[in-house]
Amino acid sequence: EDQVTQSPEALRLQEGESSSLNCSYTVSGLRGLFWYRQDPGKGPEFLFTLYSAGEEKEKERLKATLTKKESFLHITAPKPEDSATYLCAGNYGGATNKLIFGTGTLLAVQP
Amino acid sequence: DGGITQSPKYLFRKEGQNVTLSCEQNLNHDAMYWYRQDPGQGLRLIYYSQIVNDFQKGDIAEGYSVSREKKESFPLTVTSAQKNPTAFYLCARGKAGAFPRATEAFFGQGTRLTVV
Repeated sequence: EDQVTQSPEALRLQEGESSSLNCSYTVSGLRGLFWYRQDPGKGPEFLFTLYSAGEEKEKERLKATLTKKESFLHITAPKPEDSATYLCAGNYGGATNKLIFGTGTLLAVQP
Repeated sequence: DGGITQSPKYLFRKEGQNVTLSCEQNLNHDAMYWYRQDPGQGLRLIYYSQIVNDFQKGDIAEGYSVSREKKESFPLTVTSAQKNPTAFYLCARGKAGAFPRATEAFFGQGTRLTVV
C-alpha cells in the first residue's frame, strides 16, 4: 500500500529560526509529490509539485526538494504569517490520479 | 478561490437526513474530486470524476453519492447511511499534466458538516 509519512507532527519556531519539514513516501510508481499549506478552517493551498529526484522549487521563504525516498520543505527565516499546517501528498497515477496525503506538520512561528 | 467554489461553508444536519454539498469550478477542467478531512488523519478520497456523466468510488464512498451532469458541477450528497458524517469536506479540481506527470489538484475552501 502506498504511504506518505510526515514529520514532525508539530514544530514551534522563533521568528527567523530556519528549519525543515520531512515527507517520506513509497518510492515505487510515484508520479508527483505535492506540498500544500492549510490554514485553520480553510482548504489546502497549492504550493509545489516535484516530479523527479534532485528537483527543487522555491516560493518566498519556502523551498521544496525531492530525493529518491523523501521530500523536504525548508523554511528560511520564517515569519509568524508562515504559521499553518503543511501537507505533503503523493500521486501514484492509475485510474483515479488520487493524492495520498500525510497527516501534516503543524508549524507555529512565534514573534 | 483557485477556480473552485464550495458552498455552504458551514452546514448542520439532523440525524437521518440527507444533505447535499455544492462544488463548482470555472476553469473547464475535466477531473474533480471529493475528499474528507478528519482531525489527525490525512485527507481521504470519497469520489472522483474524470468526465461528465461518469464517476468512480474512492476509498471511503459508503454513505455518499455524487452526480456529474455538467462539467463545472460535482455535488456530493451525504446520505443517512453515512454513520459518521461530521467532518470537513473538500472538493478539488484536477489539472492534468503531460504523461507521466501527475494531475495537479487545487482545492476549494471546504464545507464543515456537523450532525446535530
